Amino acid sequence: EAQVTQNPRYLITVTGKKLTVTCSQNMNHEYMSWYRQDPGLGLRQIYYSMNVEVTDKGDVPEGYKVSRKEKRNFPLILESPSPNQTSLYFCASSISTGGLETQYFGPGTRLLVL
Amino acid sequence: RKEVEQDPGPFNVPEGATVAFNCTYSNSASQSFFWYRQDCRKEPKLLMSVYSSGNEDGRFTAQLNRASQYISLLIRDSKLSDSATYLCVVNGYGNKLVFGAGTILRVKS
Repeated sequence: EAQVTQNPRYLITVTGKKLTVTCSQNMNHEYMSWYRQDPGLGLRQIYYSMNVEVTDKGDVPEGYKVSRKEKRNFPLILESPSPNQTSLYFCASSISTGGLETQYFGPGTRLLVL
Repeated sequence: RKEVEQDPGPFNVPEGATVAFNCTYSNSASQSFFWYRQDCRKEPKLLMSVYSSGNEDGRFTAQLNRASQYISLLIRDSKLSDSATYLCVVNGYGNKLVFGAGTILRVKS
């Protein structure tokens, strides 16, 4: 089944404790991205990747890191989480490098930073 | 001004009603337009792309008005299962997709 998977789905952590949210897609898509969704603000892009080893900042990159060592995986790293990073996070992939086609989203990761 | 703006609603309609949402965008050079559906705190899923000539998919009709820079979504014969948040998506400045904050639809029996 074609899909985007994320883990963990739910996470409660404390300020400053490094964490990684994994994202994997099995559709051989070129483009992958991370979004956060907060009430009233819609989905905001954190980072995106147009290809392996190519990543770039989205609209809200502060406090996050990403890597794209393999085509299928695009982990999101919070080196020192803070309470303002409490949010619902979605990973997405799209078939071509431009990322302007249909976005396929993972199921989301709910993060609470205390 | 936000790049993509939507009326947050909620739109409360009875089953069988016709309901329409608009979404305005600020980048006159935008070329890609979509409507996504998001059920409560689940992942967004593509509902339909929006083409220049307008397009229809069953009970759903999408229109694009470039002169006034808005897209619309019309839902006919609303079903309870149509209750969701509808996200307008447009390629904005920097040629990246920009998501609206969404319009909440509640269909009641």
